[in-house]
Amino acid sequence: NAGVMQNPRHLVRRRGQEARLRCSPMKGHSHVYWYRQLPEEGLKFMVYLQKENIIDESGMPKERFSAEFPKEGPSILRIQQVVRGDSAAYFCASSPGGEQYFGPGTRLTVT
Amino acid sequence: EDQVTQSPEALRLQEGESSSLNCSYTVSGLRGLFWYRQDPGKGPEFLFTLYSAGEEKEKERLKATLTKKESFLHITAPKPEDSATYLCAAKEGGSEKLVFGKGTKLTVNP
Repeated sequence: NAGVMQNPRHLVRRRGQEARLRCSPMKGHSHVYWYRQLPEEGLKFMVYLQKENIIDESGMPKERFSAEFPKEGPSILRIQQVVRGDSAAYFCASSPGGEQYFGPGTRLTVT
Repeated sequence: EDQVTQSPEALRLQEGESSSLNCSYTVSGLRGLFWYRQDPGKGPEFLFTLYSAGEEKEKERLKATLTKKESFLHITAPKPEDSATYLCAAKEGGSEKLVFGKGTKLTVNP
């Protein structure tokens, strides 16, 4: 059973560009979560999605960030007009309901 | 505001030297206390879930316990391969999000 998959693993963007981060949950998991880990800080919740629905986006910045989990395909975290402060590791987790299993993360660097 | 605090921030042990990591939490209606292990450059790896005070779970050299205000991760006779950052997270009632502590970086010297 393949684990949670994220791609790309590393992403470099210039200020003002868009970043798209993808997450494929574990087989059979219908719950997807996105977290952000800044240097020297803990993991911070961003958004919780089920297929075609955003359930909780209380941790998402109000502007430039969006997330989706379509009926078919991976979940996408999209960051528009990136700024240097967006540089971080972004982790996706999936769950059948209960424990959350994390992917390897995407490390975003904004230059 | 919900909070999860881990101590110490860093811990150095000699191989075989047992110790405990602490996680204190203040959440409303705890629905689960989770322990993860994170190696550098990797995602958190799930270890344990505890649901109620008095519960204990074990896996190899690790044992997690839970009280009404804190959880402990006991490491018995650690080995160098146990070196990692250990993360604690709490899930409160009415929410599915995990609130993480900043972690304890454990180094086990041979």
